[in-house]
Amino acid sequence: KNEVEQSPQNLTAQEGEFITINCSYSVGISALHWLQQHPGGGIVSLFMLSSGKKKHGRLIATINIQEKHSSLHITASHPRDSAVYICARRSGSQGNLIFGKGTKLSVKP
Amino acid sequence: NAGVTQTPKFQVLKTGQSMTLQCAQDMNHEYMSWYRQDPGMGLRLIHYSVGAGITDQGEVPNGYNVSRSTTEDFPLRLLSAAPSQTSVYFCASSYSMNTEAFFGQGTRLTVV
Repeated sequence: KNEVEQSPQNLTAQEGEFITINCSYSVGISALHWLQQHPGGGIVSLFMLSSGKKKHGRLIATINIQEKHSSLHITASHPRDSAVYICARRSGSQGNLIFGKGTKLSVKP
Repeated sequence: NAGVTQTPKFQVLKTGQSMTLQCAQDMNHEYMSWYRQDPGMGLRLIHYSVGAGITDQGEVPNGYNVSRSTTEDFPLRLLSAAPSQTSVYFCASSYSMNTEAFFGQGTRLTVV
């Protein structure tokens, strides 16, 4: 059982649309990570957040620690946003990351 | 600052061959880990290290060895490659448990 669940698994959007990707987890955490992976590419950290909201350009991440839920929003989506978005939490004891299976986003022009 | 450097980017091995995937970071990070990424499975932890001289097994350690003789380097050794080890491998590092993680560019390994 994956302790980090993401939805949707796949998402297709038209350029300019507002996009939301959801992440829920089953245990209490100190922080949640959002990562981006372009096709055939490496993994880049977008956000690490422990409360409230963070914004970077057109990307916004929110977290509700009590409800064990986080969302990643993309405003005015663009084809270059097409990627897999992954949320992850830290293991309490080992410190390693436990990942969701990712959301594959495709933004059409 | 190079960040996390993984080599090679691509590798094809024959069944039974051994090889080492290299991972180096220049950020003085204590935490380093190796993950494999397979379709439908997401990223899974192979081995990790919380500092030089300290390593431990993750979720899928069989067939892999690691060592951490320096803070900078964390190589992953495949002892006798098997087709089931065909995957994309990522090395990651972070300063501590509560800080941002940095990833290498990945190694795409095919075992035939």
